[in-house]
Amino acid sequence: DGGITQSPKYLFRKEGQNVTLSCEQNLNHDAMYWYRQDPGQGLRLIYYSQIVNDFQKGDIAEGYSVSREKKESFPLTVTSAQKNPTAFYLCASISRQGVNNEQFFGPGTRLTVL
Amino acid sequence: QKEVEQDPGPLSVPEGAIVSLNCTYSNSAFQYFMWYRQYSRKGPELLMYTYSSGNKEDGRFTAQVDKSSKYISLFIRDSQPSDSATYLCAMGKGGATNKLIFGTGTLLAVQP
Repeated sequence: DGGITQSPKYLFRKEGQNVTLSCEQNLNHDAMYWYRQDPGQGLRLIYYSQIVNDFQKGDIAEGYSVSREKKESFPLTVTSAQKNPTAFYLCASISRQGVNNEQFFGPGTRLTVL
Repeated sequence: QKEVEQDPGPLSVPEGAIVSLNCTYSNSAFQYFMWYRQYSRKGPELLMYTYSSGNKEDGRFTAQVDKSSKYISLFIRDSQPSDSATYLCAMGKGGATNKLIFGTGTLLAVQP
């Protein structure tokens, strides 16, 4: 089955720790996105990548980092510099830019800071 | 002012009712519009995609876009308890990045 997978489903982090969230897709999609979802605020864009080895900051990139070494993978690291990391994190991908604008989402990772 | 406004609800309706969900936006550059359904603790699922003004129907779902009023709607006919979820509107300007702007979501509960 083609799709987007995210792991882990739940993640707990202590203050001062960096954690990495995994996002993998087998849809052969070019572009991938990371969003953060908080109650009452909708989805906010953290980072996005249009091709391998290239990525751009979204609206709330501070305290986060990403890499795109493979087309299928776009991991997100939540660093200790992110002051309020507790949220639901969603990864999305899109097949061809400028042609098909439909973003497809993974199941999400819920991060909680202890 | 937010670029996209969406009533957060919650909206509670009896089974079989017609549901109307709405979003307004301020940026006339938006060209394409989407509705996502999100069940609790799950990722959003794309329901409807429309480009520019007009209507699009898919089964019990109808999406309407009125660019002159900067207003989009999603209608659900014969609503079912399984439709209970949060509905997110999203819109984009096109171009290379395909960035989307999302509404805050409307929580819908369909009572059996």
